[in-house]
Amino acid sequence: DVKVTQSSRYLVKRTGEKVFLECVQDMDHENMFWYRQDPGLGLRLIYFSYDVKMKEKGDIPEGYSVSREKKERFSLILESASTNQTSMYLCASSYQGGAFFGQGTRLTVV
Amino acid sequence: GEDVEQSLFLSVREGDSSVINCTYTDSSSTYLYWYKQEPGAGLQLLTYIFSNMDMKQDQRLTVLLNKKDKHLSLRIADTQTGDSAIYFCAETGAGNMLTFGGGTRLMVKP
Repeated sequence: DVKVTQSSRYLVKRTGEKVFLECVQDMDHENMFWYRQDPGLGLRLIYFSYDVKMKEKGDIPEGYSVSREKKERFSLILESASTNQTSMYLCASSYQGGAFFGQGTRLTVV
Repeated sequence: GEDVEQSLFLSVREGDSSVINCTYTDSSSTYLYWYKQEPGAGLQLLTYIFSNMDMKQDQRLTVLLNKKDKHLSLRIADTQTGDSAIYFCAETGAGNMLTFGGGTRLMVKP
């Protein structure tokens, strides 16, 4: 079975902290994605990566950066967390038959 | 940009069929997907259809694609309470980037 693992289910961070969300996939997929999900707004793409060290901005990249040093790992970085970044964050990896998602990280910024 | 739209809510009785609809705008879509999200969980890939097909059946699930009208539907036969969840349709166009609809919340009443 394909596995996409996010490092934390729940996180609470303080405003201004630097936050790392980690995602690891075990299927050698080239494409990996970070989404955030908010009530009434659906899934919004933050960043995606189509290869090691390659990244593209999604719909809402402001306040975020990403790192893809190894094919299996895609990290989302909040440089200086703010309360409006409180959300559910979903990582996915994909091939043409579909994307597989991690279990999600619910981040609360206080 | 590309757009994927779904109705927000559907309520059915246990044992009835559910039909969840989705429309999309990207005529270059290659694959179309249905995902299920249960409360507090990530997205689970249910099924997908290639754009040159018009129907795919998988046990209780039937996917219908009308490429001319850019309309995708998911029919769940004999709907059970365990089918209560949010269902997302998604499509991939150029670059294998996924675009999601806002999700349809399915409520199954006993």
